[in-house]
Amino acid sequence: EDKVVQSPLSLVVHEGDTVTLNCSYEVTNFRSLLWYKQEKKAPTFLFMLTSSGIEKKSGRLSSILDKKELFSILNITATQTGDSAVYLCAVEATNEKLTFGTGTRLTIIP
Amino acid sequence: KAGVTQTPRYLIKTRGQQVTLSCSPISGHRSVSWYQQTPGQGLQFLFEYFSETQRNKGNFPGRFSGRQFSNSRSEMNVSTLELGDSALYLCASSSRDVKQVIYEQYFGPGTRLTVT
Repeated sequence: EDKVVQSPLSLVVHEGDTVTLNCSYEVTNFRSLLWYKQEKKAPTFLFMLTSSGIEKKSGRLSSILDKKELFSILNITATQTGDSAVYLCAVEATNEKLTFGTGTRLTIIP
Repeated sequence: KAGVTQTPRYLIKTRGQQVTLSCSPISGHRSVSWYQQTPGQGLQFLFEYFSETQRNKGNFPGRFSGRQFSNSRSEMNVSTLELGDSALYLCASSSRDVKQVIYEQYFGPGTRLTVT
């Protein structure tokens, strides 16, 4: 069965800190890995990664995938209180099924 | 463009009843996926519909079913409700290219179902 594990489960940091969120996976026939941010309501899409070693960047957020070691990291630099959310990682297999991790709850203290 | 809409937003049902939830995807999106989100299990995939056909199904019992209409709107039905079915049900729409790769998935606000 496909599996996605995120760590840490929760993280509390001060505004301005840099954080790294981890996602490891075991998926038969990997196709892509996706990161989402979930605040109070529905998840919003952040990144999709398909190739190993290529960093995707959007402002203070960046992510990279290692297909050999089967993990991805999501980095957030100069964190702000608006970054407080649950960050979800999901992996898509070639059969197009998405498996989600349980998320990392990030809290930014002003 | 209007976002993904789900109705109703909140629902309270009793055990044994059935429920139908509705999802209207973003205009032009033909793929609709349904997820169940609970505090203990996180986001779990229920099924995906593409052009009125079920393309994928998660590990849920047969009490959970769905369908998609020709206008891409989708419904999810849960029969013989159990207490454990209380959850936030999210639907997501996405566009697909000719290689059937999921690009961005846009989630609706969800329907919060409480079973008493």
